[in-house]
Amino acid sequence: QSVLTQPPSASGTPGQRVTISCSGSSSNIGSNYVYWYQQLPGTAPKLLIYRNNQRPSGVPDRFSGSKSGTSASLAISGLRSEDEADYYCAAWDDSLRGVVFGGGTKLTVL
Amino acid sequence: EVQLVESGGGLVQPGGSLRLSCAASGFTFSSYWMHWVRQAPGKGLVWVSRINSDGSSTSYADSVKGRFTISRDNAKNTLYLQMNSLRAEDTAVYYCARDSEGSGSPTDYWGQGTLVTVSS
Repeated sequence: QSVLTQPPSASGTPGQRVTISCSGSSSNIGSNYVYWYQQLPGTAPKLLIYRNNQRPSGVPDRFSGSKSGTSASLAISGLRSEDEADYYCAAWDDSLRGVVFGGGTKLTVL
Repeated sequence: EVQLVESGGGLVQPGGSLRLSCAASGFTFSSYWMHWVRQAPGKGLVWVSRINSDGSSTSYADSVKGRFTISRDNAKNTLYLQMNSLRAEDTAVYYCARDSEGSGSPTDYWGQGTLVTVSS
């Protein structure tokens, strides 16, 4: 199983706010930045959030990230049908000396 | 514009070898650590390996340690992954990705991926 723990699924209706959690440990989330990715079917992952809460240019401000201790979360407000995708959290792990990912959360827009 | 283009994937028999390449452009390749990440069909993202900017330091996931070798040619702006003793469980799309901070962090830019299928 994945080093970081995410719920396998989440859902919401258009316009709603949904959050996706990501839990880790002191060697990864507890001591390093958290990143979030969005993956649409058949495409490569796209960076959504970096350094816990920073958005790359072009990412709507409907997407926001936060971190507390060894956990983090991604919030999506004003949910839209095009937000239906898989979402992954990631962090550097000091013990592994590499990147660890969450198992991914499939977001369904009802 | 940052571009990463993987190549070299294909069908290989169990126990066989394959070498993946990733051509980088649009940034100073020699200044960034680079990563390989894979995704088995219908599964999540799994980090495979990383290499530092001058190629002197590498690390691997336990699942590939001793079988895969990451390397780079900064003169050619190219990243490689040599995969030996391939197993069915290595079947996946392999992505190369740039370290977002340059040295020791998750990734920002990703290639489109190349599919490796290990089957007899």
